[in-house]
Amino acid sequence: GAVVSQHPSRVICKSGTSVKIECRSLDFQATTMFWYRQFPKQSLMLMATSNEGSKATYEQGVEKDKFLINHASLTLSTLTVTSAHPEDSSFYICSARDLQDEGNQPQHFGDGTRLSIL
Amino acid sequence: AQSVAQPEDQVNVAEGNPLTVKCTYSVSGNPYLFWYVQYPNRGLQFLLKYITGDNLVKGSYGFEAEFNKSQTSFHLKKPSALVSDSALYFCAVRPPYNTDKLIFGTGTRLQVFP
Repeated sequence: GAVVSQHPSRVICKSGTSVKIECRSLDFQATTMFWYRQFPKQSLMLMATSNEGSKATYEQGVEKDKFLINHASLTLSTLTVTSAHPEDSSFYICSARDLQDEGNQPQHFGDGTRLSIL
Repeated sequence: AQSVAQPEDQVNVAEGNPLTVKCTYSVSGNPYLFWYVQYPNRGLQFLLKYITGDNLVKGSYGFEAEFNKSQTSFHLKKPSALVSDSALYFCAVRPPYNTDKLIFGTGTRLQVFP
């Protein structure tokens, strides 16, 4: 089945650091990828929709300059949390849309990245 | 506004007993319905889906779900729970007019006791 790899799985860094998270579709091409944020004991909040070769579409309330998204190829999207602060600490999950498999699953999820800002 | 409700934050069940995790939705038209499971510090794993056809759909790990259009519900069920089923379960809806987004419920933590 379709596999989405997310890296790193865990990051601990100092306040003010920028952190990049990668999301790769390993065996399919993903023109669309999604970035979610999950707070403890809460649901997934869609942050943005990443489209290959074009600008990401951000959800209301998500700061574009804070959460930079790049989707330069059909298999890779990156989320960069710029000048991270403790309130950015969260679990970030990406997913990818496989157009060949849409009848089965609309999105395939990565294993998430636990970001902790000290 | 479109929404998905999972009224129970947590469901506790003894191993071997049947389990039900509830989900209701408020989306116009005929949406696609999904259940996902999340284990600690992991992403979401697909369990099953309903698009059309038989109201009872079967999925992974012995789970099934029943679609009820009149009640706009899509409850997740399993005849005999296992301790290893303990996890966080999410119901999700894909509106028929928006093929990109999934609308998630708030999640229900299932705890199966030995």
